[in-house]
Amino acid sequence: GESVGLHLPTLSVQEGDNSIINCAYSNSASDYFIWYKQESGKGPQFIIDIRSNMDKRQGQRVTVLLNKTVKHLSLQIAATQPGDSAVYFCAVRTGSSNTGKLIFGQGTTLQVKP
Amino acid sequence: DAGITQSPRHKVTETGTPVTLRCHQTENHRYMYWYRQDPGHGLRLIHYSYGVKDTDKGEVSDGYSVSRSKTEDFLLTLESATSSQTSVYFCAISETGDPSSGNTIYFGEGSWLTVV
Repeated sequence: GESVGLHLPTLSVQEGDNSIINCAYSNSASDYFIWYKQESGKGPQFIIDIRSNMDKRQGQRVTVLLNKTVKHLSLQIAATQPGDSAVYFCAVRTGSSNTGKLIFGQGTTLQVKP
Repeated sequence: DAGITQSPRHKVTETGTPVTLRCHQTENHRYMYWYRQDPGHGLRLIHYSYGVKDTDKGEVSDGYSVSRSKTEDFLLTLESATSSQTSVYFCAISETGDPSSGNTIYFGEGSWLTVV
């Protein structure tokens, strides 16, 4: 089966610095990856996704990097702001491509210091 | 925000009682999912539906049943609640079963269930 893990349960950064949140997965057949942000008391919010045929994808202030060789992906947040404080999850698509089932990592809590 | 409404948002119930959580969507999406979120486990899939009356099990389906009689509603039932089912439950929706096609998976705001 698939397992998904994050390297650090908590990451503390200074406001304005860049943040990097990491995620590792186990199944080399995984083909789609999503990053979610979850604020306290709310549901996960989609941030950015990437398919396995890509190495990098950029959004607004966020970049996702995928290294299939070592089965690792990362979320980079540029110029981190207090509003970025939340728990960040990576999710990996496993199994059949037509079910949408995801395996989630346990989350990294990002703390932004003013 | 995706049009997903979960009810109730908070519930306390006693062990052994039945509980039903409702997920309502206004997006007419075909796929709907129920996840639970627990400390140390992240989000885990309970059941999902790929159409009206079409459902399948996820990785933690024991003790749960689901029903989908209409496109917009997906019900999660705990037939006899246990303390181990104390958790936060999230409903999610997807237009297709292939989120990589540009139709990703969106989550509701969660239902906090406490079984005492």
